[in-house]
Amino acid sequence: AQTVTQSQPEMSVQEAETVTLSCTYDTSESDYYLFWYKQPPSRQMILVIRQEAYKQQNATENRFSVNFQKAAKSFSLKISDSQLGDAAMYFCALNFGNEKLTFGTGTRLTIIP
Amino acid sequence: DAGVTQSPTHLIKTRGQQVTLRCSPKSGHDTVSWYQQALGQGPQFIFQYYEEEERQRGNFPDRFSGHQFPNYSSELNVNALLLGDSALYLCASSSTGGNRELFFGEGSRLTVL
Repeated sequence: AQTVTQSQPEMSVQEAETVTLSCTYDTSESDYYLFWYKQPPSRQMILVIRQEAYKQQNATENRFSVNFQKAAKSFSLKISDSQLGDAAMYFCALNFGNEKLTFGTGTRLTIIP
Repeated sequence: DAGVTQSPTHLIKTRGQQVTLRCSPKSGHDTVSWYQQALGQGPQFIFQYYEEEERQRGNFPDRFSGHQFPNYSSELNVNALLLGDSALYLCASSSTGGNRELFFGEGSRLTVL
């Protein structure tokens, strides 16, 4: 069975600054996918970024980037130039190319104006 | 282009009752997955429907059942409700012909008294 661990229940960052959210995971599979999802108060899960485990290059999407360390089973999310709209719950998740995602418990991110 | 729509958005039931939640997938999607998100937790995979059949199932009792219709919409049924079934129920759709990215609805908040 696979597990996803987010050890930071809450994080805060000043607007325009950079913040990093941590995620570790455990799986015996070698081929898998990792995700960061954002859940604002509207409750809808929104995909932020996706990383294929077979790719060594870290994924980036505008202000969002990941630090994927496969050997350490670590997958952190860096948000640059934080904006008020980035405030939300952030979930790290794992799957094997199907629709069955395993989620972590989430990190609540607060943006300080 | 409508995204994933779920109904109802909120509902209150009492222990022992039965509930039906509904989901319409994003246009062009043929697969529907259901997740349960308890307060303060990450979503947990319940099951997935494709071609009107349950294709995968998470660790949930038989009280949780579902259905997919020919138009790809889906229902989640929960029988003999328990207090612990109180949660946000999220529906996600995807396309087997695409990159299988999940698109989530805003969920149905179920409270069991």
